[in-house]
Amino acid sequence: DAKTTQPTSMDCAEGRAANLPCNHSTISGNEYVYWYRQIHSQGPQYIIHGLKNNETNEMASLIITEDRKSSTLILPHATLRDTAVYYCIVRSANQAGTALIFGKGTTLSVSS
Amino acid sequence: GAGVSQSPRYKVTKRGQDVALRCDPISGHVSLYWYRQALGQGPEFLTYFNYEAQQDKSGLPNDRFSAERPEGSISTLTIQRTEQRDSAMYRCASSNGAGAYEQYFGPGTRLTVT
Repeated sequence: DAKTTQPTSMDCAEGRAANLPCNHSTISGNEYVYWYRQIHSQGPQYIIHGLKNNETNEMASLIITEDRKSSTLILPHATLRDTAVYYCIVRSANQAGTALIFGKGTTLSVSS
Repeated sequence: GAGVSQSPRYKVTKRGQDVALRCDPISGHVSLYWYRQALGQGPEFLTYFNYEAQQDKSGLPNDRFSAERPEGSISTLTIQRTEQRDSAMYRCASSNGAGAYEQYFGPGTRLTVT
């Protein structure tokens, strides 16, 4: 799987948009970009994934650049409960049941 | 079930003892994964199953670690002759099928080897 690069930490004010960047310059054509987050000691939680097009769900939006070498996860109105470690993961969809390869992620701190 | 469950939630064992960690995936989920997570690190892949078949065990650190899923549902991760370095959070996840399906994680089992 391609590797990803994320900033170690970011801060965001409550109610503002949180924009979390991820670089994946060696991504292959059949690899998806996934985002998970982990709040304190809980298990990782799926947020969103995409291949080429931008995606939006009830939790977040995912913006993927045209060359697919980077992406941004957007939490439109961050709350204190969004404080977590956010992982950007590149994963092939071709092979059945491939494992997630977690890096160090970005620690997002949302403050009031 | 409503989500992935794991038991026990906490396990303290003495060095040299064997431990068995259990995972109950979401009902009907085909794929089941085991990960290990050290403090301050992201989860690290250990092994996964599709139905009862163990598809990849490349992440198991050594032959003291084994896993099974005999009926394609519940899975057990066994660590024999535990060592202090085995202390970690062990997490299980399941997904609905192959390919681009999200994985749902359980609460984990915190293993402490004394």
